[in-house]
Amino acid sequence: KQEVTQIPAALSVPEGENLVLNCSFTDSAIYNLQWFRQDPGKGLTSLLLIQSSQREQTSGRLNASLDKSSGRSTLYIAASQPGDSATYLCAVVINDYKLSFGAGTTVTVRA
Amino acid sequence: DVKVTQSSRYLVKRTGEKVFLECVQDMDHENMFWYRQDPGLGLRLIYFSYDVKMKEKGDIPEGYSVSREKKERFSLILESASTNQTSMYLCASSPVGTQYFGPGTRLTVL
Repeated sequence: KQEVTQIPAALSVPEGENLVLNCSFTDSAIYNLQWFRQDPGKGLTSLLLIQSSQREQTSGRLNASLDKSSGRSTLYIAASQPGDSATYLCAVVINDYKLSFGAGTTVTVRA
Repeated sequence: DVKVTQSSRYLVKRTGEKVFLECVQDMDHENMFWYRQDPGLGLRLIYFSYDVKMKEKGDIPEGYSVSREKKERFSLILESASTNQTSMYLCASSPVGTQYFGPGTRLTVL
């Protein structure tokens, strides 16, 4: 069974610092990997989707890398802002239908 | 823009009540999903549907059932609500490979 782990569970940084969020998974036979953002009490918003054949994906201040062989993905957020405070979830797509989620990293950016 | 809507943002029910949570998507997606989210446990898949009237159990289907009579609508049913079903319920719809989520329903069972 695919297990997805996110460490740390929580992170607090001053504004302007770069954020590094880690995700690891146990089975490298993945379809793709997706990073989501969740604000308190809200649904999930997709940030980046990395296909299994890709090494990284970028959108604005966000960059996600994927290393299938080691079962790892990293989300980088450059020059963090208070508005980046949220929970970030990593999900591995294990076939056409199903996602397997990590428990998330809760980020606080201090002004 | 893909839109996934859920019938209620907050719901309070009593133990033993039958509860319906509804989800509607406007993108003609084949696949729809119901998850529950609990602190420390992440999102866990309850049921999913890959076509009208088709359904499959996810990781935690016990105590739940689903209905998909139309492509755009996927309902989660708690036949007899219990306090351990107090949770955030999230619906998603999907073309192949990614998922779009609704805003969630915070259900409290007293």
